[in-house]
Amino acid sequence: GQSLEQPSEVTAVEGAIVQINCTYQTSGFYGLSWYQQHDGGAPTFLSYNALDGLEETGRFSSFLSRSDSYGYLLLQELQMKDSASYFCAVRVGYQKVTFGTGTKLQVIP
Amino acid sequence: DADVTQTPRNRITKTGKRIMLECSQTKGHDRMYWYRQDPGLGLRLIYYSFDVKDINKGEISDGYSVSRQAQAKFSLSLESAIPNQTALYFCATSARDGGYSNQPQHFGDGTRLSIL
Repeated sequence: GQSLEQPSEVTAVEGAIVQINCTYQTSGFYGLSWYQQHDGGAPTFLSYNALDGLEETGRFSSFLSRSDSYGYLLLQELQMKDSASYFCAVRVGYQKVTFGTGTKLQVIP
Repeated sequence: DADVTQTPRNRITKTGKRIMLECSQTKGHDRMYWYRQDPGLGLRLIYYSFDVKDINKGEISDGYSVSRQAQAKFSLSLESAIPNQTALYFCATSARDGGYSNQPQHFGDGTRLSIL
């Protein structure tokens, strides 16, 4: 089976940097994705890592270490609109994705 | 117009009723998925379909059934609803993955279902 662990809640200050970690145990691994979901909204795709290293997309970066079964999402220059839930998701096979339970990020002034 | 449309957006019904949630997409994707979301449990896969003739159970398919009427339409049914099926339901679509490349999933706005 698959299991993913991420913190349930994180609080950070506007303008700061926050890192949301995700560790996983899977049978088979193709890559790690991150999705953002605002309250009452639909999840939206942020990033995907198949190989070790850092992927940067604007203020957001995502990192993967396959040997450590670990990844993180880094949000820089936090804005109030970044307050949302963030889900890591592992791709474990052909078109098969398992989502974590989500991290609720609260950005405070 | 939304690329992935779910109807209804909200539904309140009684235990034992049959309910159908519908999903249609204009993205031209082959793959379609149904998830349910409960507080603290993230998104759990109910069923997924790779094309019209290929439907697969997810991790929590008991009590649910699906129908892929066309490439663009994928409906979820609760044959006899029970209160613990109260949840937020999402439909999603994706294009085909290729090897280690990834095609992200695109989600509808969700259906909030309450079963009394």
